[in-house]
Amino acid sequence: DGGITQSPKYLFRKEGQNVTLSCEQNLNHDAMYWYRQDPGQGLRLIYYSQIVNDFQKGDIAEGYSVSREKKESFPLTVTSAQKNPTAFYLCASSNLGELAGGFFGPGTRLTVL
Amino acid sequence: GEDVEQSLFLSVREGDSSVINCTYTDSSSTYLYWYKQEPGAGLQLLTYIFSNMDMKQDQRLTVLLNKKDKHLSLRIADTQTGDSAIYFCAESRRSTLGRLYFGRGTQLTVWP
Repeated sequence: DGGITQSPKYLFRKEGQNVTLSCEQNLNHDAMYWYRQDPGQGLRLIYYSQIVNDFQKGDIAEGYSVSREKKESFPLTVTSAQKNPTAFYLCASSNLGELAGGFFGPGTRLTVL
Repeated sequence: GEDVEQSLFLSVREGDSSVINCTYTDSSSTYLYWYKQEPGAGLQLLTYIFSNMDMKQDQRLTVLLNKKDKHLSLRIADTQTGDSAIYFCAESRRSTLGRLYFGRGTQLTVWP
């Protein structure tokens, strides 16, 4: 079955540690996205990538980093520079073009202890 | 103000119709989307409408778009308790191809 997987589902981190969230898709989509969701907030775009080895900052990129070495994979690293990293992180993918609405993964809930 | 705005809460009785409203600001919107999110889960694309259309129907779902007023609505007929979730409105724009702009979501609660 085609889809997007994110791992782990729950992640706990101590302050000052970097942590990497995994996102993999087998839909052959060109574009991949990372969003952050906080309670009562909409989704805010962290980073996105439209092609391998290229990515762009979204609205809240500070304290995060990404890589896109393979079409299928778009890992997100939450660095110690991110001041308030506790949130629900959602990965999505889509075909390029104006119909950008995509498929979302199940999410990773990150809690900083 | 926000690019995409939605009311935060809606409560309906089972069997009634639900109408969730959304307004957006960008005139270069190409497609508008409705997503559903159940607790602890990712977003599920329910339906979408091209900005040149004014209505789309898909089983129990009806989307109405008033482009002049930049107003989008999602009507769910015969609402069931399983429809209880957060519903997000989103838009894509010609100016920033490939990304979506989301509202804060409307929490729909369906009472038996």
